[in-house]
Order: sequence, then structure tokens, then C-alpha cells
Amino acid sequence: KNEVEQSPQNLTAQEGEFITINCSYSVGISALHWLQQHPGGGIVSLFMLSSGKKKHGRLIATINIQEKHSSLHITASHPRDSAVYICAVRPFTGNQFYFGTGTSLTVIP
Amino acid sequence: SAVISQKPSRDICQRGTSLTIQCQVDSQVTMMFWYRQQPGQSLTLIATANQGSEATYESGFVIDKFPISRPNLTFSTLTVSNMSPEDSSIYLCSVEQENRSYTGELFFGEGSRLTVL
Repeated sequence: KNEVEQSPQNLTAQEGEFITINCSYSVGISALHWLQQHPGGGIVSLFMLSSGKKKHGRLIATINIQEKHSSLHITASHPRDSAVYICAVRPFTGNQFYFGTGTSLTVIP
Repeated sequence: SAVISQKPSRDICQRGTSLTIQCQVDSQVTMMFWYRQQPGQSLTLIATANQGSEATYESGFVIDKFPISRPNLTFSTLTVSNMSPEDSSIYLCSVEQENRSYTGELFFGEGSRLTVL
């Protein structure tokens, strides 16, 4: 059983489309992170959320603590958004993070 | 923010050899985390490297196979010992930087992509 579930696993979109990636988790958390991993392997943190909503440019992340659910939205998607997006949660106890298996996004020009 | 320099970025190794991966952080951090990401899989925590004490290993990972050093608050190494093809993975180091609200932002190195022949 995985504490963090992401959907979809793979996503192909046309440039300009609005994209939503979902993350559900089963443990009580102090924070949720959205991460972006490019083909080379490096990972960049996009958002850290504990409540509500955050926006950076074309990216929007929301979290519903009661429903244990978060979404990452990309508006006006672009080929450079092609990457794997990973949801990670930090439980209330312990130092370990739980990671989703990632959503592989391909944006076609 | 924290900047992490990780090297090597990639390597091709022979079975039975060992490889050491280095991570240098541009600021002092209490804990550094070492992850393995096998092809098509998510990140799996290998161990937490603490300065001044032995690393804490997760279930399924042992010190003899993955020895870790943490000589100071900005540097750590992970060695993959006696490698086999099953060790072919991306290895990443990560830090969680504390901020005023306690929950820390995550930073990752660029990853080390190991291929064992």
C-alpha cells in the first residue's frame, strides 16, 4: 500500500491545454510538496503547501486537508513543461517523506 | 534556498566495483537524505545522514552496502559497494531546509545516474 497515490500516471497534452495532476494521501501531514523531475534526473521543488492554494506563474497548486487531496494545475501548457511531476508528503511524525510514483507529462507542440 | 552540487552526474561501472557519490550544500543543514530511484519507480529513502553520528538506514538498506559519511554540516558521501546490475538507478541527495513555519522546503541534488554492467 502506497501512502501517496497520483493520477494519471502518464499524460499527453497539446500545447496550450490546461492540465491537472491529482495527488491523494492517507496519512496526516504537516506539508505537501510538488516536485518536478526532468529527464536528466534532477528534481526541483515547485510548491510546498500546508493549506489553501499557491500560484507561481502558470502553475497553481491546491490542497484540501480534510479530503487528503491536492492538485497541480498547469495553465497554457508548453513543451518545456514536459517532465515527471511528483507529489511528496511529510507526515506529522518522523523524518521520512512519502513520495508518489509520479506523473509523466508530455506536451506536444 | 539551498543549492546542492552532486557528482558524478552519471557513471558506468563494472560489476563488483564501488562508487562514491558526493553532495555539497551551500548552507549548513542538520539532515541530509539519500534516495534511490529505480527505473520507472518513485524515490526510496536509503538513509538519513546526520553530522556527528552514524547514518540511519531504512529497512532493506545496510551500512556495508551503502556506507555514508557526513563529516560536516555541508557535505556528505554515499558509496554504493560491490555493485551489481540491480544497483543501476538514479541516486539523489536531498535536504530539508527549516524555515520559520517549521515545515521545510525540499532541495535536491542533480542526481547521479549509475549504470552497472
